[in-house]
Amino acid sequence: QVQLVESGGGLVKPGGSLRLSCAASGFTFSDYYMSWIRQAPGKGLEWVAFVSSGGNTLFYADSVKGRLFISRDDAKNSLYLQMNSLRVEDTAIYYCARGAGAFDVWGQGTEVAVSS
Amino acid sequence: DVVMTQSPDSLAVSLGERATINCKSSQSVLDSSNNKNYLAWYQRKPGQPPKMLFYWASTRESGVPERFSGSGSGTDFTLTISSLQAEDVAIYYCQQYHSIPWTFGQGTKVEIK
Repeated sequence: QVQLVESGGGLVKPGGSLRLSCAASGFTFSDYYMSWIRQAPGKGLEWVAFVSSGGNTLFYADSVKGRLFISRDDAKNSLYLQMNSLRVEDTAIYYCARGAGAFDVWGQGTEVAVSS
Repeated sequence: DVVMTQSPDSLAVSLGERATINCKSSQSVLDSSNNKNYLAWYQRKPGQPPKMLFYWASTRESGVPERFSGSGSGTDFTLTISSLQAEDVAIYYCQQYHSIPWTFGQGTKVEIK
């Protein structure tokens, strides 16, 4: 069945780095636009980053621009989020989701905690 | 950024009764070139990721029960559950995808009265 499985979350100190992965299965990954969305504790959903099919077009929320980088490897059916210069306010559950705006498939999420 | 504001923040409805959730965008999410409203609705149950219910404001996603309906255009939208069931207890979110950054409403919690 169609599935997205995130991994790579954990506890990291402010200023540190982390790389999230999202493994896709059950559909032709290369055909789809993909995004990362997060939810901080007690806060709402926040779209973070988008990558087009083929990887040529990238968009980011202003809050993460220059620090978080989305990429994909269609040969591995995988989506990534490289997270650099992490801040306390990046603490959240990170979801990968399929789609360009309207997200029809979501993973279960991976938790990122940024704390000293 | 387009700000999405939902009302109410929470509501309690008796089983079998109607639940209505409103969503207002700070700018129109209607694209006049194709007459489509770039508005989606999601349902989120505890411990689960969001599940898309509607896109284009009123196009029901496959498998979504017909008691759910989406309506509205421009800046004002509504999600209606015509006859609330126990399994509908969840938080519901609207989201616009007309303009980047794509933005979500704050969520409306639906409970059983």
